[in-house]
Amino acid sequence: SQQGEEDPQALSIQEGENATMNCSYKTSINNLQWYRQNSGRGLVHLILIRSNEREKHSGRLRVTLDTSKKSSSLLITASRAADTASYFCATDAFSGGYNKLIFGAGTRLAVHP
Amino acid sequence: DSGVTQTPKHLITATGQRVTLRCSPRSGDLSVYWYQQSLDQGLQFLIQYYNGEERAKGNILERFSAQQFPDLHSELNLSSLELGDSALYFCASSVESPGTGELFFGEGSRLTVL
Repeated sequence: SQQGEEDPQALSIQEGENATMNCSYKTSINNLQWYRQNSGRGLVHLILIRSNEREKHSGRLRVTLDTSKKSSSLLITASRAADTASYFCATDAFSGGYNKLIFGAGTRLAVHP
Repeated sequence: DSGVTQTPKHLITATGQRVTLRCSPRSGDLSVYWYQQSLDQGLQFLIQYYNGEERAKGNILERFSAQQFPDLHSELNLSSLELGDSALYFCASSVESPGTGELFFGEGSRLTVL
């Protein structure tokens, strides 16, 4: 089963609007990461937030983490058509003595000009 | 360009066949990961290696196997292929220990099983 689950599955907005995607996970984590994937391409790392951090910013991206609720959100402000992509959260899951990075199913974001 | 190279980019084969996907990690990265992404789905973790040793396994089928060589490149072998194995297979690498840092992804190998 997947460690992280994104919500919503799909999001359609107009350029200039903000986009918020949520991620929930099941077990304790050391860190949570967000990645972006343009259609059919490799994933690109956006931001990593550690379990002892509550908020992190990178350009137009803002990530929050609530470990008590086992959830994270990714906010993209002032969206652009170029932000159209799928966004995935990834959490580390400790198993068999080692950490592995497990991805959620992703949120498909469409930004219309 | 992430620095991770995957070959081949596209592969079309028939059911029952065997294929090998190859990955060259970024220079200096010791960790290699393999993920499978079926059409419009999330990434399913298959397996990861650190400096030549298997470190963690996901939902990897027994028909699939992988290894990381002394020069740190990795190969994913898929045998007795079925239609459902059609997917994008991604390799990723990282400089840190598995599961602790940013992954750098290749562009994937798109496998089509007919």
